[in-house]
Amino acid sequence: DQQVKQNSPSLSVQEGRISILNCDYTNSMFDYFLWYKKYPAEGPTFLISISSIKDKNEDGRFTVFLNKSAKHLSLHIVPSQPGDSAVYFCAAFGNTGNQFYFGTGTSLTVIP
Amino acid sequence: EAGVAQSPRYKIIEKRQSVAFWCNPISGHATLYWYQQILGQGPKLLIQFQNNGVVDDSQLPKDRFSAERLKGVDSTLKIQPAKLEDSAVYLCASSFASGTTYNEQFFGPGTRLTVL
Repeated sequence: DQQVKQNSPSLSVQEGRISILNCDYTNSMFDYFLWYKKYPAEGPTFLISISSIKDKNEDGRFTVFLNKSAKHLSLHIVPSQPGDSAVYFCAAFGNTGNQFYFGTGTSLTVIP
Repeated sequence: EAGVAQSPRYKIIEKRQSVAFWCNPISGHATLYWYQQILGQGPKLLIQFQNNGVVDDSQLPKDRFSAERLKGVDSTLKIQPAKLEDSAVYLCASSFASGTTYNEQFFGPGTRLTVL
């Protein structure tokens, strides 16, 4: 029962260009969404989040967009840098389940 | 501030053997989580503790997995006996509190388990 899906397992982008990572969810009770970044041999680290009452949240080069009607969120990285190369997980949190649900991850490679 | 500590970092065992993982959360964090991440998948919550009580263990295979958090600080996750499909990275995370409000989770580096 995959409630959070990331349909692109990998993405390659040229340095300086925009990276767009997508995530879809099925449960309309989710009210908080997060993106985590994971380097090899390390645990995931929090990147950016958005509450369901917003449709956009920006933090420096990172912007998360939420489309509740489509049950879709995306992470934009502009401009992309080689250090952004990592696996990105989206996650959803719902106060009914009190639990995080993670997507399967998208491996981003930023080419210098 | 010290992060979430986990040990060992890597473990290789044969099927039917037992294994235990240890986690030390960030000081002051009441909530501790154990996740299983199978290759190519996202982390899946196994068990969540609030202090030393279990909040959610609905996805923990209780016939072979057990976890405890004595004194509400450190935690151990045990698998006995291990199966091939238990090969995964086991992540520990902690947060200041839990409940119906989101609290940021901080993850440890994980323990990579290989079952042969």
